[in-house]
Amino acid sequence: AQKVTQAQTEISVVEKEDVTLDCVYETRDTTYYLFWYKQPPSGELVFLIRRNSFDEQNEISGRYSWNFQKSTSSFNFTITASQVVDSAVYFCAFMNRDDKIIFGKGTRLHILP
Amino acid sequence: KAGVTQTPRYLIKTRGQQVTLSCSPISGHRSVSWYQQTPGQGLQFLFEYFSETQRNKGNFPGRFSGRQFSNSRSEMNVSTLELGDSALYLCASSPRTGGNEQFFGPGTRLTVL
Repeated sequence: AQKVTQAQTEISVVEKEDVTLDCVYETRDTTYYLFWYKQPPSGELVFLIRRNSFDEQNEISGRYSWNFQKSTSSFNFTITASQVVDSAVYFCAFMNRDDKIIFGKGTRLHILP
Repeated sequence: KAGVTQTPRYLIKTRGQQVTLSCSPISGHRSVSWYQQTPGQGLQFLFEYFSETQRNKGNFPGRFSGRQFSNSRSEMNVSTLELGDSALYLCASSPRTGGNEQFFGPGTRLTVL
């Protein structure tokens, strides 16, 4: 069975610090998709990134970067030079070929001014 | 393009009642998925509809049901409400199936008294 673990329940950092959110997944599938979503206080989940299992290239988007390593079944998310607006709950999610999606429990990130 | 809309945004019901929630996907999107979010269980997948057919179903009792109309709008129904059904119900749409990113609505906050 598939599983997504976000071991960090809550993280607090001071503004401008870098922060990495961990995500570890379990699956026997060879084809799958990984996602990160952001849920700000308003409650609406915002899509951040999608990665398929055949693409291990790291991705950078502005201050956001993602490190996908199949060898460790991890898909970690780093925010560089964090800002107060980055405060939110971040969810890592796994989707198999049948489009069944499993979310991690989420990491609540506090960026302190 | 308008985003995913959900109505109503807030709902208060009593145990034993039934409730119907509505979701209008982004124009052109044919896949609609429903999720339940609670503090204890996190984000859990309820079901997915594509072209008026249920493609996937999560591990929820039969009291939870849904449907999709020809215009891709979707409704979910919960019968015989229980206190534990109090949650944020999120709807997400996607242009098609197959590991695509999902775009979420603001959710319906259901409180069961």
